[in-house]
Amino acid sequence: GAVVSQHPSWVICKSGTSVKIECRSLDFQATTMFWYRQFPKQSLMLMATSNEGSKATYEQGVEKDKFLINHASLTLSTLTVTSAHPEDSSFYICSARGPGLAGRWETQYFGPGTRLLVL
Amino acid sequence: RKEVEQDPGPFNVPEGATVAFNCTYSNSASQSFFWYRQDCRKEPKLLMSVYSSGNEDGRFTAQLNRASQYISLLIRDSKLSDSATYLCVAYNFNKFYFGSGTKLNVKP
Repeated sequence: GAVVSQHPSWVICKSGTSVKIECRSLDFQATTMFWYRQFPKQSLMLMATSNEGSKATYEQGVEKDKFLINHASLTLSTLTVTSAHPEDSSFYICSARGPGLAGRWETQYFGPGTRLLVL
Repeated sequence: RKEVEQDPGPFNVPEGATVAFNCTYSNSASQSFFWYRQDCRKEPKLLMSVYSSGNEDGRFTAQLNRASQYISLLIRDSKLSDSATYLCVAYNFNKFYFGSGTKLNVKP
């Protein structure tokens, strides 16, 4: 249980295009999803918290007009990187808050990530 | 000060060794704690939750010390497949705070 899918797994695009990444919780409902970015050999960086039916909460330094987040249902959140530039190339990972192990604390489950390369 | 701090390592150990990682957290109000494992170029995967009473899952034992605000992970009988980065996580106020990870290399 507690599976999160992410699509696409790889994107290569030209500078200036917009890229949409989907994150789905497959076997549970997730009122809260998270979007992270990870550069090579660096730790995960939380970009924003996505709450179903309301606006996302962005971390300091993350441009909300550049990284558009929509969480329209309990199983789907999308991240759109608008007018992507080479410096946006990174590993984007979503996660969803879901049932804990052995029925205890809720925790988060990660999607497999999307590698974005902007040329 | 970071919410969660870990020794980045790397810890280089031979197969069969026992290895322990510690992690400290700064917010005493943190409600729950976890260890994740992340393989190179992959997403983090939940390894285990960490309870005050301590918990064990096969070769892995996790402990929480609220008084000293640290979490530990003990791996016994290390396998080559245990090589990964281990992330310590503290949860409070609807946010999960990740440590930067401890890298483990298990050598034959």
